[in-house]
Amino acid sequence: GENVEQHPSTLSVQEGDSAVIKCTYSDSASNYFPWYKQELGKGPQLIIDIRSNVGEKKDQRIAVTLNKTAKHFSLHITETQPEDSAVYFCAASIGGGTASKLTFGTGTRLQVTL
Amino acid sequence: GAVVSQHPSWVICKSGTSVKIECRSLDFQATTMFWYRQFPKQSLMLMATSNEGSKATYEQGVEKDKFLINHASLTLSTLTVTSAHPEDSSFYICSRGVRETQYFGPGTRLLVL
Repeated sequence: GENVEQHPSTLSVQEGDSAVIKCTYSDSASNYFPWYKQELGKGPQLIIDIRSNVGEKKDQRIAVTLNKTAKHFSLHITETQPEDSAVYFCAASIGGGTASKLTFGTGTRLQVTL
Repeated sequence: GAVVSQHPSWVICKSGTSVKIECRSLDFQATTMFWYRQFPKQSLMLMATSNEGSKATYEQGVEKDKFLINHASLTLSTLTVTSAHPEDSSFYICSRGVRETQYFGPGTRLLVL
């Protein structure tokens, strides 16, 4: 089955700096890659996603890039703010419908310091 | 995105008792919902796929007789942890799909004493 690796496990940046989180996946059939933000004691929130027919997607301060050949994708957060502090999870699936299963990475704890 | 609620948000129970957790899709009907378990500082692990009107599909290693899933309507799936033990203490989260995107509920924290 699919295996998703995520690095780093923890990341500390100063406010205003950029943060990059990287994931690799094993199943070349995977074609949908969401990123979730999870705050303490809450469920994960979708922040951005990308499908395999696209190499990059951006939404304000957040961007995701996908390299299908290398089977890796990355989350980029620019101009970080204290409220960006949370745990971020990448995931991969062989998308196609509402029953598509997600395989999650191990998570990255991002701390944005003042 | 989809709106998913869970009830209760937290529950404490004695060892040996059963606990039911509800997951509701508030905006759209959901023929498929998912149940995850998350231990402290760990990732989300899929437990089972809940299918409306049919049996749930459990992931390898998940005891179906211990974690009973019922998806009796298009807006409600329930997870019952039977004969709960301290090792079942965890954060249980459900989700529903909109195409291949999953939207998660707020989670239920279970503490078994």
